[in-house]
Amino acid sequence: DAGITQSPRYKITETGRQVTLMCHQTWSHSYMFWYRQDLGHGLRLIYYSAAADITDKGEVPDGYVVSRSKTENFPLTLESATRSQTSVYFCASSGRQGQNTIYFGEGSWLTVV
Amino acid sequence: AQSVTQLDSQVPVFEEAPVELRCNYSSSVSVYLFWYVQYPNQGLQLLLKYLSGSTLVKGINGFEAEFNKSQTSFHLRKPSVHISDTAEYFCAVSHRGKGAQKLVFGQGTRLTINP
Repeated sequence: DAGITQSPRYKITETGRQVTLMCHQTWSHSYMFWYRQDLGHGLRLIYYSAAADITDKGEVPDGYVVSRSKTENFPLTLESATRSQTSVYFCASSGRQGQNTIYFGEGSWLTVV
Repeated sequence: AQSVTQLDSQVPVFEEAPVELRCNYSSSVSVYLFWYVQYPNQGLQLLLKYLSGSTLVKGINGFEAEFNKSQTSFHLRKPSVHISDTAEYFCAVSHRGKGAQKLVFGQGTRLTINP
């Protein structure tokens, strides 16, 4: 049971570079999410998707782009990375509406220098 | 919009002692409530959730939480903790109906168990 996997797990990049964090789930869950975790802020929702080709902004979407051409994949792209985007990024997924357990990946540690 | 406040950023306790992690929420609509645990360098794992029915919810690893609508609280408790319970704990809320899948998290409480 592979579940939900994120890659890369660790990444160092330079300011201004484009970075893509990958997320893949094997459950055929409808919903997928990207959260960032920062000290003192808990987890904040960046973007979410209710199904393939349906995405919507969360609490902190600025500087990020998402796509969902296939149900199982939900990549997150930082188009021009900034130091304020140094964070731990968590992908998550959940089944149909009403099945409220959300399952998280193990996180991607991103450092922007 | 919903918000969650975890009243303690850090809670140190001795092994085998009881513990309570406090969570208050704010919402203008009915909510679902959750507690997640994060062990070092790992993702979040669901401990328990309140959707409806009995206000006392039992979860994994001996944890339980009580939903108190009048006080808008959802405190997490365990009668006797173990070293392995050392982790960060997050309270989260989502509103019922459309958009129920979107969680709003508290800032987290770091639970440290001392031998």
